[in-house]
Amino acid sequence: DAGITQSPRHKVTETGTPVTLRCHQTENHRYMYWYRQDPGHGLRLIHYSYGVKDTDKGEVSDGYSVSRSKTEDFLLTLESATSSQTSVYFCAISVTILYEQYFGPGTRLTVT
Amino acid sequence: TQLLEQSPQFLSIQEGENLTVYCNSSSVFSSLQWYRQEPGEGPVLLVTVVTGGEVKKLKRLTFQFGDARKDSSLHITAAQTGDTGLYLCAGYTGTASKLTFGTGTRLQVTL
Repeated sequence: DAGITQSPRHKVTETGTPVTLRCHQTENHRYMYWYRQDPGHGLRLIHYSYGVKDTDKGEVSDGYSVSRSKTEDFLLTLESATSSQTSVYFCAISVTILYEQYFGPGTRLTVT
Repeated sequence: TQLLEQSPQFLSIQEGENLTVYCNSSSVFSSLQWYRQEPGEGPVLLVTVVTGGEVKKLKRLTFQFGDARKDSSLHITAAQTGDTGLYLCAGYTGTASKLTFGTGTRLQVTL
């Protein structure tokens, strides 16, 4: 199994509070991704990174920001959480942009 | 935004039956991947197909990429309870550097 961990695994937070999710990899892969998974929508890309300090937006980036200061860590921040951001968040890594992606175990976030 | 439509959305069958899951798009994909996801876990890659008309087999699973590279299918022969899960197709297009996921097919296999 690819060495990908996500923390926390579960979180309940209140509307309006900031939340940061962490993805950590031990594979030294260049690309890292944040997805959210919701019923009826499949997996949707939030942001991705193609190197340290190099990031780009995905299809559902509004309300989210990311940072990657080290190869192994990719942080997803919800500046002011809303109920619509209740979801399961997955981090993924890949060697190159066209190769298979390895997914972390997910973080279940509930915004009340 | 390229859309990948999967059908059926839900499938409940008994062990030993055969089934086919479809993944369709109006876009041409340079490659297409199939993943399986079990409850509480992240998706795990099953196969990648690249060439139009390509067929790949993984034990009882057969994957086919359409000739025009706009669609794909997954056929499971003699399903087992261990095949239960969410099956996701995902594709790269030549113009997008991001993987687009289908909506998923949830398969339940019972004894």
